[in-house]
Amino acid sequence: AQTVTQSQPEMSVQEAETVTLSCTYDTSESDYYLFWYKQPPSRQMILVIRQEAYKQQNATENRFSVNFQKAAKSFSLKISDSQLGDAAMYFCAYRSALGKLSFGAGTTVTVRA
Amino acid sequence: ETGVTQTPRHLVMGMTNKKSLKCEQHLGHNAMYWYKQSAKKPLELMFVYNFKEQTENNSVPSRFSPECPNSSHLFLHLHTLQPEDSALYLCASSQRPASGSASKNIQYFGAGTRLSVL
Repeated sequence: AQTVTQSQPEMSVQEAETVTLSCTYDTSESDYYLFWYKQPPSRQMILVIRQEAYKQQNATENRFSVNFQKAAKSFSLKISDSQLGDAAMYFCAYRSALGKLSFGAGTTVTVRA
Repeated sequence: ETGVTQTPRHLVMGMTNKKSLKCEQHLGHNAMYWYKQSAKKPLELMFVYNFKEQTENNSVPSRFSPECPNSSHLFLHLHTLQPEDSALYLCASSQRPASGSASKNIQYFGAGTRLSVL
C-alpha cells in the first residue's frame, strides 16, 4: 500500500509571500499520479494541481507550482504571492495506475493579512 | 461547485437511529466513492463503485451500507453507529477509462456531510 506523508500539520504565510508545503510518498510503482487538493472551510475538496510521474517537467497552475523529485519520492507545493483565499487545508494525494487514491494527513495553511 | 452534491450537509443522530447520506454527481462519471475524513487523519477510502458495481470495500463495518442505484447517485445507509463514527463523509466521482491511460481519472469531491453520533 502507498503511504503519503505530510510532515507539516500547519503553515503560516504573510499575504503576498511564498509558502512551500512538503509531501513525500512511498511506492514501488513507476507509473502513478500525484495531486494537491485544497479544502477550504466550505469543505469542498478542490483539485489544485496534478503531476504525472513520467513527466520530468514540474506542473504549474498560475500561482501554484510543484517540485517533483521522483528519485527522492518528494512532491512539494509552492504557493506564490499568497492570498487570503488560499487559506485552507491542503492534501497531497497519490494515485496508482489502477486508480486508487491515497491521501496525506493534510497541512493547514493560514494567510496573515 | 464541482458538480458533486451531498445532502445533508450536517447530521446528528443517536446510536439507535437509521439515516442515509446522499450523493449525486452531474458530471457524467462512471465511478463513485465514499471517503471518511476524521480529524488529524488522512482521508480513508470506504467504498468504490464502477458502473454501479461495488469494486472495493476497505474493511468497512457492516453498520455502513452503500447503495448505488445508478451511475449518478450514491447512498450511504447508516444504522447503529458508534460515537467514533463521527466524521466528515465525502463523496467523490471520476471517469475511469475502460482501458489505456488513466490520466483523466481525476476525482471530484462533494462538500461532505458532517456526521455527529451521540
